[in-house]
Amino acid sequence: KQEVTQIPAALSVPEGENLVLNCSFTDSAIYNLQWFRQDPGKGLTSLLLIQSSQREQTSGRLNASLDKSSGRSTLYIAASQPGDSATYLCAVKGGSNYKLTFGKGTLLTVNP
Amino acid sequence: KAGVTQTPRYLIKTRGQQVTLSCSPISGHRSVSWYQQTPGQGLQFLFEYFSETQRNKGNFPGRFSGRQFSNSRSEMNVSTLELGDSALYLCASSLGRSGGTDTQYFGPGTRLTVL
Repeated sequence: KQEVTQIPAALSVPEGENLVLNCSFTDSAIYNLQWFRQDPGKGLTSLLLIQSSQREQTSGRLNASLDKSSGRSTLYIAASQPGDSATYLCAVKGGSNYKLTFGKGTLLTVNP
Repeated sequence: KAGVTQTPRYLIKTRGQQVTLSCSPISGHRSVSWYQQTPGQGLQFLFEYFSETQRNKGNFPGRFSGRQFSNSRSEMNVSTLELGDSALYLCASSLGRSGGTDTQYFGPGTRLTVL
């Protein structure tokens, strides 16, 4: 059974700092890994999707990497801003069905 | 292109009642998945529908059911509501291509409160 773990559970940083969020998964037989952002009480916004054959994806100040063999992914946020404050969720898709298995998320607070 | 829409956004029900939630996917998307989000369990997969057929199912009791219509719109039904069913219910749509490479796009969710 796939399990996804995100560390840390919460992170508070000053504005402008670069930061890394971590995600690990137990079964390396995945189709892809997706990072999402969730604002309080809202739905999920897809940030980056990395296919199993890829090593990284970039979008603006965000960079996500994938090391399938070790079961790890990182989300790097450059020059953080208060508007980046949200919960960041990592999810992997794999197995005999196409469901996403989610981590519990990292609650990020960027202080002005 | 319009995003995934869910109705209603908020619902309050009492134990024993039943509820129906609706999801309209992005135009052209044929797959709709449903997830339950609670503070304790996080996001858990309920089921996925593709071309009006349930393609995958999570580990939820039979009180949770769904269906998909020919226009890809989907409904989720929960019967005999329990307090523990209080959650944010999220729907996600994708093209549904085989191989699992699609990006899933989520709606804003329906917040269900069971009293």
